[in-house]
Amino acid sequence: DIQMTQSPSSLSASVGDRVTITCRASQTIINYLNWYQQKPGKAPKLLIYGASSLQSGVPSRFSGSGSGTDFTLTISTLQPEDLATYYCQQSYITPRTFGQGTKVEIK
Amino acid sequence: QVQLVQSGAEVKKPGASVRVSCKTSGYTFSSYYMHWLRQTPGQGLEWMGIINPDGTNTAYEQKFQGRLTVTRDASTSTLYMELSSLRSEDTALYYCARDGAHYFDHWGQGTLVTVSS
Repeated sequence: DIQMTQSPSSLSASVGDRVTITCRASQTIINYLNWYQQKPGKAPKLLIYGASSLQSGVPSRFSGSGSGTDFTLTISTLQPEDLATYYCQQSYITPRTFGQGTKVEIK
Repeated sequence: QVQLVQSGAEVKKPGASVRVSCKTSGYTFSSYYMHWLRQTPGQGLEWMGIINPDGTNTAYEQKFQGRLTVTRDASTSTLYMELSSLRSEDTALYYCARDGAHYFDHWGQGTLVTVSS
């Protein structure tokens, strides 16, 4: 199985800050990397697919980059409603695996 | 709009089976692969299995082989997941999700399954 490792596991930032979350795969996954946002008590929601494509309806302050084994999710200007846990997930091979999550808190 | 509505919470005893449903609407059910996933505090998000659009082929995560059965009913646009020989470690929030081509683009609201004696 491909292992996905996210860092940091949690962070605290102020409204307006730029936030970066990284995800590393244990082997190349080309660009088969997706990012999800999970708010407390809710199901995960797709933010970014194919490493850098923004899902319809997702605010443009979210962006993704990377290829191969190293990927990044960036929130350009953190908003109060971005309080959530963020997960990366690879879809290069089955089983599709997730990172352990990054909890974003607002200072 | 696309909706996936799952059945309600379940409490089961060890060794029993559970069946969770996922009723879909707002799109052509028979055109999409569908998945089941689960989430626990200890294991995080885990992919469990997939079924193809016409229901003739499934694939399961190895750890669930022999215990997991995923089916679908085109007449009611409903997806099903049955997990047998339940143990305490199967206590989790179970999700259905639509495959949008290499990503999970729509999710059900989740069904809590509790396994306890």
